Amino acid sequence: DTEVTQTPKHLVMGMTNKKSLKCEQHMGHRAMYWYKQKAKKPPELMFVYSYEKLSINESVPSRFSPECPNSSLLNLHLHALQPEDSALYLCASSQDLGGSTGELFFGEGSRLTVL
Amino acid sequence: AQSVTQLGSHVSVSEGALVLLRCNYSSSVPPYLFWYVQYPNQGLQLLLKYTSAATLVKGINGFEAEFKKSETSFHLTKPSAHMSDAAEYFCAVSDPSWGKLQFGAGTQVVVTP
Repeated sequence: DTEVTQTPKHLVMGMTNKKSLKCEQHMGHRAMYWYKQKAKKPPELMFVYSYEKLSINESVPSRFSPECPNSSLLNLHLHALQPEDSALYLCASSQDLGGSTGELFFGEGSRLTVL
Repeated sequence: AQSVTQLGSHVSVSEGALVLLRCNYSSSVPPYLFWYVQYPNQGLQLLLKYTSAATLVKGINGFEAEFKKSETSFHLTKPSAHMSDAAEYFCAVSDPSWGKLQFGAGTQVVVTP
């Protein structure tokens, strides 16, 4: 079982909707990540939070808005998305940025479809 | 800057045959290297990692990989393929001081009976 939990597993939304993706981990990790993955492609980094502060924003459009309410939770707020934003959104966590192993733990993803 | 190149986007192997997935990396510092597996409609699961300890790394599900600095390679092998090995495999590299993962393009493994 994954120790990074993502909800919902599937989400269908219209271009005018506002929705959120949620991610939770209880491993005491201090870095959390959002990745976007299109079919048959590797994951692409979107955002990184370290100690609840945004550390990396990979030039993601403002219609994606991340939030880290505490060290265990990570949200991705979605508004006015486009059909090309349909993808698998993966959350991940790591002990720290860099650190002794650099290993990321991934959730199972939220499959987003924008109509 | 760091990068990885996976040779072959698709690999087909017979059940019981050797699985060999190739990964070459580019890094200006001693890297951390990883192999992840992704089953359909699931997230990524770590198979194994190299973090400057032993150059031959054993992972889960019978996979192993060897770090060869002279060849800048980190190829993944499994002696005998099983049907359950059918999945997408990603090689990744990170800078130990930063931790940002750079993924390869992925290799789709198909296992035939």
